[in-house]
Amino acid sequence: DAGVIQSPRHEVTEMGQEVTLRCKPISGHNSLFWYRQTMMRGLELLIYFNNNVPIDDSGMPEDRFSAKMPNASFSTLKIQPSEPRDSAVYFCASSRRGGGNQPQHFGDGTRLSIL
Amino acid sequence: DQQVKQNSPSLSVQEGRISILNCDYTNSMFDYFLWYKKYPAEGPTFLISISSIKDKNEDGRFTVFLNKSAKHLSLHIVPSQPGDSAVYFCAANSGSSNTGKLIFGQGTTLQVKP
Repeated sequence: DAGVIQSPRHEVTEMGQEVTLRCKPISGHNSLFWYRQTMMRGLELLIYFNNNVPIDDSGMPEDRFSAKMPNASFSTLKIQPSEPRDSAVYFCASSRRGGGNQPQHFGDGTRLSIL
Repeated sequence: DQQVKQNSPSLSVQEGRISILNCDYTNSMFDYFLWYKKYPAEGPTFLISISSIKDKNEDGRFTVFLNKSAKHLSLHIVPSQPGDSAVYFCAANSGSSNTGKLIFGQGTTLQVKP
C-alpha cells in the first residue's frame, strides 16, 4: 500500500515567492494533518482536516499560510509571501478518523529553504 | 508551555542491552500515548501506543509503560539493535476525544553501538 506522498521533497526559493506544498493521504484515511519541524520548536501541528473540512488551524503561524483540501485524496499548504523564517521541514500525515486512538502515518516531508 | 517533554536529548546504548526512553506530560486529560521513530530524511513512523486504561503494552522488542499518577511513560527496547538508532518521539492525544490532535515531545536521539 502506498503511504502518504508529499511533493516536492525539497524546495529552495527566494524570499517573497509563493510556495505550494502538496500531499496525497493514504486512501481511506479521513483525517489529514500538516506539521512543521524546526530545531527550535520541534514538531508542531499547523492545521488538520476531518473529511476534507478544516477543524483546527490554530497552529497556522500567520495569514501568509493557508491550507486546502479540495477532495479526500489531495491537500495543499501554501505560503505567500515566503520568508526565511519559514525554512523548515513540513510533514503531512493522515489517519483513519476514530477519535484520538488512531495512529497518524507520516509522509517523508518537504524540506523548504527560503533564501 | 510544553505539555509533552522528553528531557533527554540523546541516549547511547550498547547492542543487546536495554534502551529506556522517557517522556513526561502535564495534561491529565491526555488519554492516548504514542511513540514514533524517525530516521534522517524520512517522516516519523508509528511504533507503539498505549491507552490510559492500561499501564503496559508490548509489541515484540518494544514495550511502553504508563504511570498515570506520575504522568510519565517510557519505551523499553530489548534487546537493542544498531538499526534502532533513530530519533524517538513521544506523543499524546490532546484529550478532546474525537480530535485526533497529537502533541509531540522534542525527541530523543538513540544511538545503539555495535
